[in-house]
Amino acid sequence: RKEVEQDPGPFNVPEGATVAFNCTYSNSASQSFFWYRQDCRKEPKLLMSVYSSGNEDGRFTAQLNRASQYISLLIRDSKLSDSATYLCSGGSNYKLTFGKGTLLTVNP
Amino acid sequence: SAVISQKPSRDICQRGTSLTIQCQVDSQVTMMFWYRQQPGQSLTLIATANQGSEATYESGFVIDKFPISRPNLTFSTLTVSNMSPEDSSIYLCSAQDGDQPQHFGDGTRLSIL
Repeated sequence: RKEVEQDPGPFNVPEGATVAFNCTYSNSASQSFFWYRQDCRKEPKLLMSVYSSGNEDGRFTAQLNRASQYISLLIRDSKLSDSATYLCSGGSNYKLTFGKGTLLTVNP
Repeated sequence: SAVISQKPSRDICQRGTSLTIQCQVDSQVTMMFWYRQQPGQSLTLIATANQGSEATYESGFVIDKFPISRPNLTFSTLTVSNMSPEDSSIYLCSAQDGDQPQHFGDGTRLSIL
């Protein structure tokens, strides 16, 4: 079983839609979780950290469920500019494992 | 967050040759890492670059193939040795300071003929 597994996608949604990504992790000792965004032919950029209590940044909400070992990312009111691949990651402070990524395309 | 620059941004190399990729951070950071991202795949950690000592390699990666240096807290190099077409990939360095999230350099796109 892979350490970090993501929804396979791809996701195609219209502008304004709400879209949710889930990601499961197998290592129960994992302490740090993040969502990264990767545009085509670019490096991953940190989108947000994921905290136990859940956290929100504008249209983006990240949640962690330790009991079920999954993290989620919710994007509300999606914009064309949200089109990208979203990578979840989890691990210790000094070693992160990344999911394969989920491609999101927001259509006009 | 730190600004991380990689050189070269891309290269096309002949099989059997070696290429050294440089990673420069604009501030001192605790940790530096090297990843590989093959087409359509996620990031795979190659090694953790340790300042002043040998890198810590992940399973499937060895020092002879991917020698790494980290002479100080802002700079690291990764060499891809004796390249074959299977080494064609994007190579990314990342940096992390303390318990802050990792940030990535802009990557090196490597093609081997």
